[in-house]
Amino acid sequence: AQRVTQPEKLLSVFKGAPVELKCNYSYSGSPELFWYVQYSRQRLQLLLRHISRESIKGFTADLNKGETSFHLKKPFAQEEDSAMYYCALSTSGTYKYIFGTGTRLKVLA
Amino acid sequence: DAGITQSPRYKITETGRQVTLMCHQTWSHSYMFWYRQDLGHGLRLIYYSAAADITDKGEVPDGYVVSRSKTENFPLTLESATRSQTSVYFCASSVPGLAEAFFGQGTRLTVV
Repeated sequence: AQRVTQPEKLLSVFKGAPVELKCNYSYSGSPELFWYVQYSRQRLQLLLRHISRESIKGFTADLNKGETSFHLKKPFAQEEDSAMYYCALSTSGTYKYIFGTGTRLKVLA
Repeated sequence: DAGITQSPRYKITETGRQVTLMCHQTWSHSYMFWYRQDLGHGLRLIYYSAAADITDKGEVPDGYVVSRSKTENFPLTLESATRSQTSVYFCASSVPGLAEAFFGQGTRLTVV
């Protein structure tokens, strides 16, 4: 079965500290992985997708097929990064997205 | 306004009542989705649709009904609301090959 696991419900870091939000997936084929972010009282929006290999707002994520992981990283956290982050999986041959349970990131001053 | 909009934004209803949540998108995206967002569960897929008149069940479809007579609309109906359906509901749309889902602003539904 396809599944996305985000082991941390809450992650608190101090401003300027490195951040790593963990995401592991279960899928036997070739997945497409995404990170979505939801700022307070706003709609979900795409942050990153693995196929584009880009850095958005200082965040990067690398797909590791061997470890079936897609962890989100940022070297120096900012207070405005505080939000809910969801890892999502889209599988080849389908068009639906499977989301993880989300990790709330709190960046402390 | 262009984009994807949900209505109402907030709804309180009583147990046993039927309630319909509306979703409208102006992009003519073929794919549309309904998710519910609950603490500890994240976003769970209720129903999805590949095109007008094509719908399919997601992870948690029980107690919900959808229809898609027009590409731009994808209403979600709770046939007989229960307290367990208290949640925030998100509608989303996408197109083949785009690989990005666009979300509405959500509907917060409370069943009392």
